[in-house]
Amino acid sequence: DIQMTQSPSSLSASVGDRVTITCQASQDISIYLNWYQQKPGKAPKLLIFDASTLETGVPSRFSGSGSGTDFTFIISSLQPEDFATYYCQQYGHLLTFGGGTKVEIK
Amino acid sequence: QVQLVESGGAVVQPGRSLRLSCAASGFSFSSYPLHWVRQAPGKGLEWVAVISYVGSSEYYADSVRGRFTISRDNSKNTLFLQMKSLRAEDTAVYYCARDRALYSSGWGSAFDFWGQGTVVTVSS
Repeated sequence: DIQMTQSPSSLSASVGDRVTITCQASQDISIYLNWYQQKPGKAPKLLIFDASTLETGVPSRFSGSGSGTDFTFIISSLQPEDFATYYCQQYGHLLTFGGGTKVEIK
Repeated sequence: QVQLVESGGAVVQPGRSLRLSCAASGFSFSSYPLHWVRQAPGKGLEWVAVISYVGSSEYYADSVRGRFTISRDNSKNTLFLQMKSLRAEDTAVYYCARDRALYSSGWGSAFDFWGQGTVVTVSS
């Protein structure tokens, strides 16, 4: 099975900050990596698919990059509505989520 | 608009069975693979199972293989999850989710629409 190691598990940031989250796969998954945002009590929302493609309607301050085993998710300028938990998810072989990153207000 | 509405969640005793349903509307149901994803209280997301758009192939997480069965009724736009031999560790919110890969028979790609979830609690 492919394991996804996401870091950090939590971070504190201020509005306007640049936020970076990384995800490492236990084996090569090409670009088969997606990113989701989840707010408390709500279902997750797809933000980025295939490592770097922005889902329709998602603001351009969100971006993703990477291939193979190492991936990065960036929020270029954190907005109040961005405080949430973010998950990576691979589909190189079956489907696995990373452990999540909780983005909290500093 | 795309809607997925789960139902069937309940409090059940360990070892018992339960069937979840997910009613879909607003899209061509028979064209998309569908998944179940769960989230234990205070924990992260765990993919559970996927079924292809015509129901000809299914894939499962190791944690549920042999105990859970995913199925669909394309005539009724409904997805199911039959859960048997339930354990305490199956306690979670169960979400149904649509895969964005039209006409796929593989294990899936990304979840582009989600339901609101239904709560399953396994406890004596």
